[in-house]
Amino acid sequence: SAVISQKPSRDICQRGTSLTIQCQVDSQVTMMFWYRQQPGQSLTLIATANQGSEATYESGFVIDKFPISRPNLTFSTLTVSNMSPEDSSIYLCSVNTPSGRNTGELFFGEGSRLTVL
Amino acid sequence: GENVEQHPSTLSVQEGDSAVIKCTYSDSASNYFPWYKQELGKRPQLIIDIRSNVGEKKDQRIAVTLNKTAKHFSLHITETQPEDSAVYFCAAPFAGGTSYGKLTFGQGTILTVHP
Repeated sequence: SAVISQKPSRDICQRGTSLTIQCQVDSQVTMMFWYRQQPGQSLTLIATANQGSEATYESGFVIDKFPISRPNLTFSTLTVSNMSPEDSSIYLCSVNTPSGRNTGELFFGEGSRLTVL
Repeated sequence: GENVEQHPSTLSVQEGDSAVIKCTYSDSASNYFPWYKQELGKRPQLIIDIRSNVGEKKDQRIAVTLNKTAKHFSLHITETQPEDSAVYFCAAPFAGGTSYGKLTFGQGTILTVHP
């Protein structure tokens, strides 16, 4: 398994501001995945973060709104920029290759619950 | 891309009954189908998965069946217990994707088991 720590666990933000979410994994992983879970909804992949290259964004998500950093193999950040109430969601960091093993299982962090007023 | 449909959206059963949740997918090339359980306020966790080379997989009270021809897979929970109450999500890899980290999730099923 993998131990994934996310900060902050929750925050209340003002419209127009930006917030950076941090994700720390206890082992080196090639890819880290950022998902969004809107209130009462399913999970949607925002982007895949690879160390040493730009993140790959999925349809409906752009780098200007969700810039991602991946400075090393155990850490990533996701920034939610110029927030609006529609950005109120749980943002989840995840990995699927802890310690180099890929069984297919996705391991999720506890999530960062953002509320935008 | 891959499209995953999940039914029902809510399911209420009595303790000891069975529960079945069904999902359909669109990409015939998909070869991996996980089920995640998310308890209230917690992170999603994998409970069982199946690959396209088998039709059924069991783990104690939980089983998953796969029909590749019809492109659907189902989660079966027998002898349900109150602690099974949670939201269950099915998923499939992105169409044409080779990374199991890139998943399309179903809409979720809220399972409530009444004592």
